[in-house]
Amino acid sequence: DAMVIQNPRYQVTQFGKPVTLSCSQTLNHNVMYWYQQKSSQAPKLLFHYYDKDFNNEADTPDNFQSRRPNTSFCFLDIRSPGLGDAAMYLCATSRDPGGEQYFGPGTRLTVT
Amino acid sequence: DAKTTQPPSMDCAEGRAANLPCNHSTISGNEYVYWYRQIHSQGPQYIIHGLKNNETNEMASLIITEDRKSSTLILPHATLRDTAVYYCIVRSRGADSWGKLQFGAGTQVVVTP
Repeated sequence: DAMVIQNPRYQVTQFGKPVTLSCSQTLNHNVMYWYQQKSSQAPKLLFHYYDKDFNNEADTPDNFQSRRPNTSFCFLDIRSPGLGDAAMYLCATSRDPGGEQYFGPGTRLTVT
Repeated sequence: DAKTTQPPSMDCAEGRAANLPCNHSTISGNEYVYWYRQIHSQGPQYIIHGLKNNETNEMASLIITEDRKSSTLILPHATLRDTAVYYCIVRSRGADSWGKLQFGAGTQVVVTP
């Protein structure tokens, strides 16, 4: 089945230690998104790629970066995780910018 | 600013229809109404969307008022697996347009046996 895959499902990192979360998709969608969801809150968009074009939300901290080496993969890099970055990180895809978004299961990040 | 208003929670008996209201009084002409849900510890799941006509798919029905200021998502026969947070979102839509998916607080729906 076509899907959005996120690895790992659970990630523990130390304060200040860089961490990378990965997302892959078999839907061949043009757009890939990263959301952050803190406990008991709604998902919040961090940035998205439309093909190779990167679009950063205005309030996304510089500590968060993303890479999309090809259509299928997208990575979220947190350069120096703080305790406040502990959250569920959700990857999503859509065929085009206005289309329905399909979400992966998320990666729960713990910062110790 | 939130574009939609939803009740924070509602209960529904298993097997009964669940009617989830959403107010979006400031919706503009090119904005669609989308519904997503998020089961605990999973990613959000697309349910349905509409512009002004009522819509139905295998998961739910969407009823939009004539003035488009409110809508209702109907789960015709709720099951325990429908327990989730349901998000009503308004956004513009098009192949070349960028309409951000902004999640509000949503409605926590609990389906009970």
